[in-house]
Amino acid sequence: QQPVQSPQAVILREGEDAVINCSSSKALYSVHWYRQKHGEAPVFLMILLKGGEQKGHEKISASFNEKKQQSSLYLTASQLSYSGTYFCAPGGNKLIFGTGTLLAVQP
Amino acid sequence: GAGVSQSPSNKVTEKGKDVELRCDPISGHTALYWYRQSLGQGLEFLIYFQGNSAPDKSGLPSDRFSAERTGGSVSTLTIQRTQQEDSAVYLCASSWSRGEIRNEQFFGPGTRLTVL
Repeated sequence: QQPVQSPQAVILREGEDAVINCSSSKALYSVHWYRQKHGEAPVFLMILLKGGEQKGHEKISASFNEKKQQSSLYLTASQLSYSGTYFCAPGGNKLIFGTGTLLAVQP
Repeated sequence: GAGVSQSPSNKVTEKGKDVELRCDPISGHTALYWYRQSLGQGLEFLIYFQGNSAPDKSGLPSDRFSAERTGGSVSTLTIQRTQQEDSAVYLCASSWSRGEIRNEQFFGPGTRLTVL
């Protein structure tokens, strides 16, 4: 079953923060996060592992709550380059990508 | 090194025709994936190859879709008797080793298929 992301879309001004949530109906052992810019292929951001481990990428970090089967992506002091659609995907042999969150950062 | 490549980048075909889409994974990657992305939609898993194991075809939408991977490298996705609803961007991705949870997927640029 496809993970559900919220919000579906968010508009930010440069420098603002955002949180993207990902909920899975299945047990999570790890979560991948990808970003897809318009007209481009998805690009890997990070992997979260069970145990609530946080991983960071520039000013983007994430958390993973195995018990709640949720992961959240935190974007701080957003930059124009953060614009795109963010997808979570529970890890495993194959990735089932979430519903996606469109992020638009404006000057 | 080179990334994942796909060809053609664009394909326009008539309804009812067969099409073949090609994916060249990153050298040494043993896992290869096909996804489909319709306009403004998310990524839909189609099929997964891992080494010499039988592929996971659980995402193929109908028996008109098939894929093969020759020599553990290049893969071809074939769509027979194309329908208009098959119009989408078809993305290929590859990764190291056996679908390990740690292994990121590297995506190709995709093939945009338009069925008239």
